[in-house]
Amino acid sequence: SYELTQPPSVSVSPGQTARITCSGDALAKQYTYWYQQKPGQAPALVIFKDSKRPSGIPERFSGSSSGTTVTLTISGVQAEDEADYYCQSADISGTFVFGTGTKVTVL
Amino acid sequence: EVQLVQSGAEVKKPGESLKISCKGSGYSFSSYWIAWVRQMPGRGLEWMGIIYPGDSDTRYSPSFQGQVTISVDKPINTAYLQWSSLKASDTAMYYCAKSSSVGAADGADYWGQGTLVTVSS
Repeated sequence: SYELTQPPSVSVSPGQTARITCSGDALAKQYTYWYQQKPGQAPALVIFKDSKRPSGIPERFSGSSSGTTVTLTISGVQAEDEADYYCQSADISGTFVFGTGTKVTVL
Repeated sequence: EVQLVQSGAEVKKPGESLKISCKGSGYSFSSYWIAWVRQMPGRGLEWMGIIYPGDSDTRYSPSFQGQVTISVDKPINTAYLQWSSLKASDTAMYYCAKSSSVGAADGADYWGQGTLVTVSS
């Protein structure tokens, strides 16, 4: 089955930049979406279609794509950004899959 | 205001059946795909399947095909996720989520609050 691979954890000091990667064979051909999930809450969309930011999402969140790897970048990390982050994309059959998830810890 | 409101927590025994719901409001329910997502305790998100209320077109993840049924009642703007015979391993939080683009099965911009399903003898 199709898999999207993320690093299990990323640690970053406040004000620094966090980069979370997501790798998958079909990522060069399919859009990627990124979600933030805080404890006890439903996920929230932070990036759609690789690099677009929904209204209300701070500009410090950005997305980029290069071949079979996509990256979520959080510039100037704040304490409130501590959460789990998941990428999501589709395989060639049109069914979706989530990445393995990355826990971002703000030191 | 777009809202997805899910039915309340359930406690069931192994072998029992269950149907949970997700009611959409504040948008054209028929025009946006609705996905179901599982999150087992302490684990990551798992995409289960998706349905288009306009014509009930449904796609399942291979991992969930045959294990659950996704359906919709368009007149009452409600999507459903059901099991015919629950297992203890079905214990999880289940979310519904609305696709972000009209007519397209893509990422979700609005999520329900989640329904906690506990299966225990």
